[in-house]
Amino acid sequence: DTAVSQTPKYLVTQMGNDKSIKCEQNLGHDTMYWYKQDSKKFLKIMFSYNNKELIINETVPNRFSPKSPDKAHLNLHINSLELGDSAVYFCASSQVPVSYEQYFGPGTRLTVT
Amino acid sequence: DAKTTQPTSMDCAEGRAANLPCNHSTISGNEYVYWYRQIHSQGPQYIIHGLKNNETNEMASLIITEDRKSSTLILPHATLRDTAVYYCIVRNTGGFKTIFGAGTRLFVKA
Repeated sequence: DTAVSQTPKYLVTQMGNDKSIKCEQNLGHDTMYWYKQDSKKFLKIMFSYNNKELIINETVPNRFSPKSPDKAHLNLHINSLELGDSAVYFCASSQVPVSYEQYFGPGTRLTVT
Repeated sequence: DAKTTQPTSMDCAEGRAANLPCNHSTISGNEYVYWYRQIHSQGPQYIIHGLKNNETNEMASLIITEDRKSSTLILPHATLRDTAVYYCIVRNTGGFKTIFGAGTRLFVKA
């Protein structure tokens, strides 16, 4: 019973392509997040949605667009992929916004060639 | 959010207590200390958090100094599965800009 799941786990694609990463949580949480972990292992928040509404939008290129069809899903679409987008992307969820107790998914390793 | 400083890596023998320090000398009065860990190829996992008092749960204990400028995460009986990178984060509940830094890589050895 996976609490927070992401697909795909690995994604290899070429520059310029458009790709999506999907995230689902079965914890009944109201808030979901997207994080990016770079090669130096620094983990930075990108977006957060609460009840399908965007509440956090950090400084990320507008090529990245999150979409939340319902409270249990938060997908990340990336247009015109660049080499610098290569990273591990983590989805997370929490019961309430800005909660300390977040549950993370297994991550999606994106490699742009 | 206050800046934290952690050692790059630490070793611990299996079955012994692992004590992971964290310095946060610029912490302000409304900021909590949180600990997460990340086991290789997995997502971060919340461990524990505290404000002033020492805290304990099923995973670990958190000891915060009286001046709150430093804290120690204690894994009482480390196992091989505790090998991970441990992140100390200081933040208040009002804001949200969780940035996990480099953390401490803990190696638990048999």
